[in-house]
Amino acid sequence: DGGITQSPKYLFRKEGQNVTLSCEQNLNHDAMYWYRQDPGQGLRLIYYSQIVNDFQKGDIAEGYSVSREKKESFPLTVTSAQKNPTAFYLCASIYHIPRGSSNQPQHFGDGTRLSIL
Amino acid sequence: AQTVTQSQPEMSVQEAETVTLSCTYDTSENNYYLFWYKQPPSRQMILVIRQEAYKQQNATENRFSVNFQKAAKSFSLKISDSQLGDTAMYFCAFMIRPYSGAGSYQLTFGKGTKLSVIP
Repeated sequence: DGGITQSPKYLFRKEGQNVTLSCEQNLNHDAMYWYRQDPGQGLRLIYYSQIVNDFQKGDIAEGYSVSREKKESFPLTVTSAQKNPTAFYLCASIYHIPRGSSNQPQHFGDGTRLSIL
Repeated sequence: AQTVTQSQPEMSVQEAETVTLSCTYDTSENNYYLFWYKQPPSRQMILVIRQEAYKQQNATENRFSVNFQKAAKSFSLKISDSQLGDTAMYFCAFMIRPYSGAGSYQLTFGKGTKLSVIP
């Protein structure tokens, strides 16, 4: 079945450490997104990428970095500069709607919960 | 910039009853999409219903329907015959409709409404 796979499900970070969250999709979607979810905050956009080798900052990009070397993959690195990384992270992908026929414009992965040790 | 406001942080409803979740948004755009997503305790994001702003007819999906008031920038979700499985966080979201394939397709979310269905 096609879908989005996020790994790991749970991740712990030590102070001063960079950690990388994986997001892989086999839906042949064009664009991919990273969201952060905190209690009472809803989902906030960290970074997004519409095509390979290109990505844009979202609303809360500070302390994060991404890459898009392959269409299928969009890993997120939480750097030591992110002082409050404890949150639930969701990856999503989408067809470009004008040529997409799906009624589900953004597919989401199952998320990664990141905590501080 | 677009904003989405959900004014009800928590709601509850008796099983088999009807409940309405509120959502208002602010935008200067004329062509856009609106969505309701459901996030059960499993944390999976599930699309419930979608509305295109250029369509006057309110979207319906089984027990879920919306009341879309474009002039008032209001997009409420009605759940009929509530079931225990409807217990979840519900997020209202907005997306600008891209022109000719250009655009970021990014979603702007409200902060969510936690719905509890009581047996």
